[in-house]
Amino acid sequence: AQSVSQHNHHVILSEAASLELGCNYSYGGTVNLFWYVQYPGQHLQLLLKYFSGDPLVKGIKGFEAEFIKSKFSFNLRKPSVQWSDTAEYFCAVIPTGGSYIPTFGRGTSLIVHP
Amino acid sequence: EAQVTQNPRYLITVTGKKLTVTCSQNMNHEYMSWYRQDPGLGLRQIYYSMNVEVTDKGDVPEGYKVSRKEKRNFPLILESPSPNQTSLYFCASSLSRGGGYGYTFGSGTRLTVV
Repeated sequence: AQSVSQHNHHVILSEAASLELGCNYSYGGTVNLFWYVQYPGQHLQLLLKYFSGDPLVKGIKGFEAEFIKSKFSFNLRKPSVQWSDTAEYFCAVIPTGGSYIPTFGRGTSLIVHP
Repeated sequence: EAQVTQNPRYLITVTGKKLTVTCSQNMNHEYMSWYRQDPGLGLRQIYYSMNVEVTDKGDVPEGYKVSRKEKRNFPLILESPSPNQTSLYFCASSLSRGGGYGYTFGSGTRLTVV
Protein backbone atom coordinates (compact mmCIF):
# COMPACT_ATOMS: atom_id res chain seq x y z
CA ALA A 1 0.00 0.00 0.00
CA GLN A 2 1.14 3.53 -0.67
CA SER A 3 2.00 6.00 2.05
CA VAL A 4 2.43 9.75 2.17
CA SER A 5 4.77 11.53 4.52
CA GLN A 6 4.58 15.20 5.34
CA HIS A 7 7.70 16.05 7.28
CA ASN A 8 6.66 19.33 8.80
CA HIS A 9 3.77 18.98 11.21
CA HIS A 10 3.78 22.60 12.36
CA VAL A 11 5.30 25.58 10.62
CA ILE A 12 5.30 29.13 11.94
CA LEU A 13 6.34 31.97 9.67
CA SER A 14 6.17 35.72 9.50
CA GLU A 15 4.44 37.43 6.62
CA ALA A 16 6.58 37.73 3.47
CA ALA A 17 8.68 34.73 4.42
CA SER A 18 9.10 31.95 1.88
CA LEU A 19 7.38 28.62 2.39
CA GLU A 20 8.28 25.09 1.44
CA LEU A 21 6.31 22.11 2.72
CA GLY A 22 7.69 18.67 2.09
CA CYS A 23 5.71 15.70 0.79
CA ASN A 24 7.15 12.30 0.00
CA TYR A 25 5.24 9.25 -1.06
CA SER A 26 6.00 5.61 -1.42
CA TYR A 27 4.47 3.82 -4.38
CA GLY A 28 6.15 2.10 -7.26
CA GLY A 29 3.68 2.95 -9.98
CA THR A 30 2.13 5.99 -11.59
CA VAL A 31 0.35 8.44 -9.32
CA ASN A 32 -1.72 11.58 -9.43
CA LEU A 33 -0.57 14.13 -6.85
CA PHE A 34 -2.50 16.84 -5.07
CA TRP A 35 -2.16 19.55 -2.47
CA TYR A 36 -5.24 20.61 -0.54
CA VAL A 37 -5.70 23.46 1.90
CA GLN A 38 -8.11 23.52 4.84
CA TYR A 39 -8.76 26.94 6.36
CA PRO A 40 -9.89 26.95 9.99
CA GLY A 41 -13.37 25.46 10.31
CA GLN A 42 -13.71 24.82 6.60
CA HIS A 43 -13.55 21.90 4.20
CA LEU A 44 -10.62 20.97 2.02
CA GLN A 45 -10.05 22.92 -1.15
CA LEU A 46 -7.81 21.99 -4.04
CA LEU A 47 -4.62 24.08 -4.31
CA LEU A 48 -3.00 22.32 -7.23
CA LYS A 49 -2.56 18.94 -8.86
CA TYR A 50 -0.11 17.04 -11.00
CA PHE A 51 -1.07 14.28 -13.40
CA SER A 52 1.66 14.40 -16.06
CA GLY A 53 3.78 16.78 -18.12
CA ASP A 54 5.68 19.75 -16.72
CA PRO A 55 6.73 18.73 -13.21
CA LEU A 56 6.42 22.30 -11.97
CA VAL A 57 2.77 23.08 -11.46
CA LYS A 58 1.18 26.32 -10.45
CA GLY A 59 -1.94 26.51 -8.39
CA ILE A 60 -4.19 29.09 -6.88
CA LYS A 61 -3.14 31.90 -4.53
CA GLY A 62 0.48 31.93 -5.71
CA PHE A 63 1.29 28.37 -4.69
CA GLU A 64 3.37 26.03 -6.80
CA ALA A 65 4.71 22.52 -6.42
CA GLU A 66 7.45 20.51 -8.04
CA PHE A 67 7.23 16.81 -8.75
CA ILE A 68 10.62 15.10 -8.54
CA LYS A 69 10.04 11.55 -9.66
CA SER A 70 13.45 10.26 -8.58
CA LYS A 71 12.84 11.48 -5.05
CA PHE A 72 9.14 10.54 -4.91
CA SER A 73 8.53 14.08 -3.75
CA PHE A 74 5.93 16.75 -4.41
CA ASN A 75 6.92 19.78 -2.34
CA LEU A 76 4.69 22.82 -2.04
CA ARG A 77 6.19 26.30 -2.26
CA LYS A 78 5.16 29.91 -2.01
CA PRO A 79 7.68 32.76 -2.31
CA SER A 80 5.96 35.13 0.10
CA VAL A 81 3.27 34.00 2.55
CA GLN A 82 0.44 36.12 3.87
CA TRP A 83 -1.48 35.99 7.13
CA SER A 84 -4.44 34.60 5.16
CA ASP A 85 -2.38 31.51 4.29
CA THR A 86 -2.78 30.30 7.87
CA ALA A 87 -4.34 26.87 7.38
CA GLU A 88 -3.67 23.17 7.33
CA TYR A 89 -2.13 21.73 4.18
CA PHE A 90 -2.55 18.17 2.99
CA CYS A 91 -0.64 16.30 0.34
CA ALA A 92 -2.54 13.45 -1.37
CA VAL A 93 -1.60 10.65 -3.72
CA ILE A 94 -3.85 8.55 -5.93
CA PRO A 95 -2.27 5.56 -7.63
CA THR A 96 -3.58 5.34 -11.16
CA GLY A 97 -3.17 1.61 -11.54
CA GLY A 98 -4.91 -0.73 -9.18
CA SER A 99 -7.04 0.49 -6.30
CA TYR A 100 -7.20 4.23 -7.02
CA ILE A 101 -7.70 4.65 -3.28
CA PRO A 102 -6.28 8.03 -2.27
CA THR A 103 -3.85 8.43 0.57
CA PHE A 104 -3.61 11.73 2.38
CA GLY A 105 -0.68 12.89 4.43
CA ARG A 106 -1.25 13.77 8.07
CA GLY A 107 -1.21 17.46 7.29
CA THR A 108 0.99 20.45 8.06
CA SER A 109 -0.37 23.24 10.19
CA LEU A 110 0.89 26.61 8.96
CA ILE A 111 0.61 29.72 11.11
CA VAL A 112 1.60 33.03 9.57
CA HIS A 113 2.15 35.93 11.92
CA PRO A 114 1.28 39.39 10.60
CA GLU B 1 -23.20 26.66 -7.74
CA ALA B 2 -21.28 23.40 -7.97
CA GLN B 3 -21.14 21.88 -4.54
CA VAL B 4 -21.27 18.87 -2.27
CA THR B 5 -23.85 19.21 0.48
CA GLN B 6 -23.61 17.26 3.71
CA ASN B 7 -26.11 17.13 6.52
CA PRO B 8 -26.08 17.56 9.40
CA ARG B 9 -23.06 19.76 10.16
CA TYR B 10 -23.01 18.73 13.81
CA LEU B 11 -24.42 15.62 15.45
CA ILE B 12 -24.24 14.28 18.98
CA THR B 13 -25.63 10.81 19.49
CA VAL B 14 -25.50 7.91 21.92
CA THR B 15 -23.76 4.60 21.46
CA GLY B 16 -25.78 2.14 19.42
CA LYS B 17 -28.33 4.55 17.96
CA LYS B 18 -28.36 4.22 14.19
CA LEU B 19 -27.67 7.38 12.23
CA THR B 20 -27.30 8.51 8.63
CA VAL B 21 -25.23 11.36 7.28
CA THR B 22 -26.45 12.53 3.91
CA CYS B 23 -24.31 13.67 1.00
CA SER B 24 -25.50 15.11 -2.27
CA GLN B 25 -23.62 16.58 -5.25
CA ASN B 26 -24.94 18.59 -8.18
CA MET B 27 -22.04 18.16 -10.60
CA ASN B 28 -23.06 14.83 -12.15
CA HIS B 29 -19.84 13.31 -10.79
CA GLU B 30 -19.54 9.57 -11.05
CA TYR B 31 -17.10 9.15 -8.19
CA MET B 32 -18.05 9.83 -4.58
CA SER B 33 -16.32 8.95 -1.35
CA TRP B 34 -16.39 9.36 2.42
CA TYR B 35 -13.49 10.27 4.68
CA ARG B 36 -12.93 10.70 8.35
CA GLN B 37 -10.46 13.25 9.64
CA ASP B 38 -8.79 12.72 12.98
CA PRO B 39 -6.06 14.87 14.57
CA GLY B 40 -2.60 13.73 13.51
CA LEU B 41 -3.97 11.13 11.13
CA GLY B 42 -5.05 13.24 8.17
CA LEU B 43 -7.95 11.97 6.09
CA ARG B 44 -8.71 8.31 5.74
CA GLN B 45 -11.10 6.94 3.16
CA ILE B 46 -14.05 4.97 4.51
CA TYR B 47 -15.95 3.94 1.38
CA TYR B 48 -16.11 5.03 -2.21
CA SER B 49 -18.46 4.61 -5.13
CA MET B 50 -17.60 4.68 -8.79
CA ASN B 51 -21.19 4.85 -9.97
CA VAL B 52 -24.75 3.97 -9.08
CA GLU B 53 -24.92 0.65 -7.24
CA VAL B 54 -21.11 0.33 -7.29
CA THR B 55 -19.48 0.77 -3.91
CA ASP B 56 -16.29 -0.51 -2.32
CA LYS B 57 -14.33 -0.32 0.90
CA GLY B 58 -11.64 2.22 1.53
CA ASP B 59 -9.00 2.06 4.22
CA VAL B 60 -11.25 2.17 7.31
CA PRO B 61 -14.69 0.70 6.46
CA GLU B 62 -15.41 -1.12 9.72
CA GLY B 63 -18.58 0.07 11.40
CA TYR B 64 -19.87 1.95 8.36
CA LYS B 65 -22.23 1.27 5.47
CA VAL B 66 -23.01 3.22 2.33
CA SER B 67 -25.43 3.07 -0.54
CA ARG B 68 -25.55 4.66 -4.00
CA LYS B 69 -29.07 4.33 -5.37
CA GLU B 70 -28.89 7.61 -7.26
CA LYS B 71 -25.91 9.28 -8.87
CA ARG B 72 -26.17 12.44 -6.82
CA ASN B 73 -26.57 10.89 -3.35
CA PHE B 74 -24.15 8.87 -1.25
CA PRO B 75 -25.30 8.53 2.37
CA LEU B 76 -23.06 7.23 5.14
CA ILE B 77 -24.77 4.92 7.61
CA LEU B 78 -23.59 4.03 11.09
CA GLU B 79 -25.75 1.10 12.17
CA SER B 80 -24.45 1.02 15.75
CA PRO B 81 -22.19 3.99 16.44
CA SER B 82 -19.43 3.70 19.01
CA PRO B 83 -17.30 6.39 20.69
CA ASN B 84 -14.31 5.58 18.47
CA GLN B 85 -16.36 6.84 15.53
CA THR B 86 -16.32 10.32 17.00
CA SER B 87 -14.67 12.27 14.21
CA LEU B 88 -15.02 14.87 11.49
CA TYR B 89 -16.49 13.35 8.34
CA PHE B 90 -16.20 14.64 4.79
CA CYS B 91 -17.96 13.57 1.66
CA ALA B 92 -16.24 14.25 -1.65
CA SER B 93 -16.95 13.82 -5.33
CA SER B 94 -14.91 13.96 -8.50
CA LEU B 95 -15.23 13.29 -12.19
CA SER B 96 -13.25 10.10 -11.95
CA ARG B 97 -11.63 7.88 -9.39
CA GLY B 98 -8.23 9.16 -10.44
CA GLY B 99 -9.13 12.53 -9.02
CA GLY B 100 -10.36 14.13 -12.23
CA TYR B 101 -10.03 17.85 -11.69
CA GLY B 102 -9.60 17.25 -7.99
CA TYR B 103 -12.09 16.31 -5.35
CA THR B 104 -14.86 18.66 -4.30
CA PHE B 105 -15.42 18.29 -0.58
CA GLY B 106 -18.52 18.91 1.47
CA SER B 107 -18.42 21.18 4.50
CA GLY B 108 -18.03 18.32 6.92
CA THR B 109 -20.06 16.67 9.67
CA ARG B 110 -18.69 16.71 13.17
CA LEU B 111 -20.00 13.60 14.91
CA THR B 112 -19.74 12.94 18.62
CA VAL B 113 -20.77 9.54 19.98
CA VAL B 114 -21.20 9.42 23.75
